[in-house]
Amino acid sequence: SQQGEEDPQALSIQEGENATMNCSYKTSINNLQWYRQNSGRGLVHLILIRSNEREKHSGRLRVTLDTSKKSSSLLITASRAADTASYFCAKGGGNKLTFGTGTQLKVEL
Amino acid sequence: GAVVSQHPSWVICKSGTSVKIECRSLDFQATTMFWYRQFPKQSLMLMATSNEGSKATYEQGVEKDKFLINHASLTLSTLTVTSAHPEDSSFYICSAKPSGRGTYEQYFGPGTRLTVT
Repeated sequence: SQQGEEDPQALSIQEGENATMNCSYKTSINNLQWYRQNSGRGLVHLILIRSNEREKHSGRLRVTLDTSKKSSSLLITASRAADTASYFCAKGGGNKLTFGTGTQLKVEL
Repeated sequence: GAVVSQHPSWVICKSGTSVKIECRSLDFQATTMFWYRQFPKQSLMLMATSNEGSKATYEQGVEKDKFLINHASLTLSTLTVTSAHPEDSSFYICSAKPSGRGTYEQYFGPGTRLTVT
């Protein structure tokens, strides 16, 4: 069963704006990962944050993790049309990844 | 590095036939591979964990006799959908975990779109 719920389900913004996506989960984690999926394609790994970390940056991406609230957020700054995709959080534990419901991001010119 | 391929990228088959999907790790060895399915506009659901040289571990609700998994080498896992029906139409994605590395890394293939008519 899916462990992560994401919101919003869909997000439409203008190029240059920031996009924030949230992910909540139910049980404890070793790490939480964020992936991007372009329509009809495979997944691209964006960033991994460990359970003992609170914030992580990678280029225009910023991920936060609040284990007390069992939630994480992904912020994409200065969005571009090429950022249009679905974004999934995935709870990592042992070998398995359990994916959230995903956020469909559309960045308009 | 860390490239995973899938073949075919798409396939159309008739109801009742079987379809085999291959997942290859091109530049690394993978003791463990995973198979997911994804319905339109939905998330990825783990179907099974494939371990080289041993039987696959299926998630609850996944019929092991319908979705046959073979992981015969450290670079190849196959998923065979047997007696496919239209409800099996989906996007199937594999991922591979490099042998000997930390538990966090998985690399995903580009997916295979199966349409059963």
